[in-house]
Amino acid sequence: EADIYQTPRYLVIGTGKKITLECSQTMGHDKMYWYQQDPGMELHLIHYSYGVNSTEKGDLSSESTVSRIRTEHFPLTLESARPSHTSQYLCASSESQPYTTNEKLFFGSGTQLSVL
Amino acid sequence: GQSLEQPSEVTAVEGAIVQINCTYQTSGFYGLSWYQQHDGGAPTFLSYNALDGLEETGRFSSFLSRSDSYGYLLLQELQMKDSASYFCAVRGSSGGSYIPTFGRGTSLIVHP
Repeated sequence: EADIYQTPRYLVIGTGKKITLECSQTMGHDKMYWYQQDPGMELHLIHYSYGVNSTEKGDLSSESTVSRIRTEHFPLTLESARPSHTSQYLCASSESQPYTTNEKLFFGSGTQLSVL
Repeated sequence: GQSLEQPSEVTAVEGAIVQINCTYQTSGFYGLSWYQQHDGGAPTFLSYNALDGLEETGRFSSFLSRSDSYGYLLLQELQMKDSASYFCAVRGSSGGSYIPTFGRGTSLIVHP
């Protein structure tokens, strides 16, 4: 069973606020990801990490930043939230596998962010 | 880059069989996965194909044809609880990251 947790589950904030979305996993996975998902749309990769002190930007241009100081923790920070940031944010993790084999992602329950 | 196409919605009745198709474009193909997501829930892994052919897991099966860049998810003996969104995801070598790229998802509606 997947053990990956996201907090908060729902967040409503005003424009210009700084927020941090938390994501933790207890599976010891090296790889972690942040995806953004709008209703009825695909998951867009915004950040990923291959391990401690490793972070990379994904395909979707985002005004967010991430950090990976500990294996189990991968927080996402928005320095100044805008209404365009309103979306669902999904955190995921996976074991490192050779690229020729399966990569099974475990997802958290997501944070639904609304910026007014 | 990588891109995937899947139908936006499929409807079926309880007990029926339904097939959800997925076509993809990618460089350096390494596998096609399927995920299920219920409303308000997290995506959960269903299946993975790296080689051509059919993989069966209970009521769900997944098929891949690499030469056609095509796969499908087959759901048999449909139950009401199967109503959810189903995403295909392709793992390729775009940018050297080998991270799965997801399609837009197919909303499956199962009627009594």
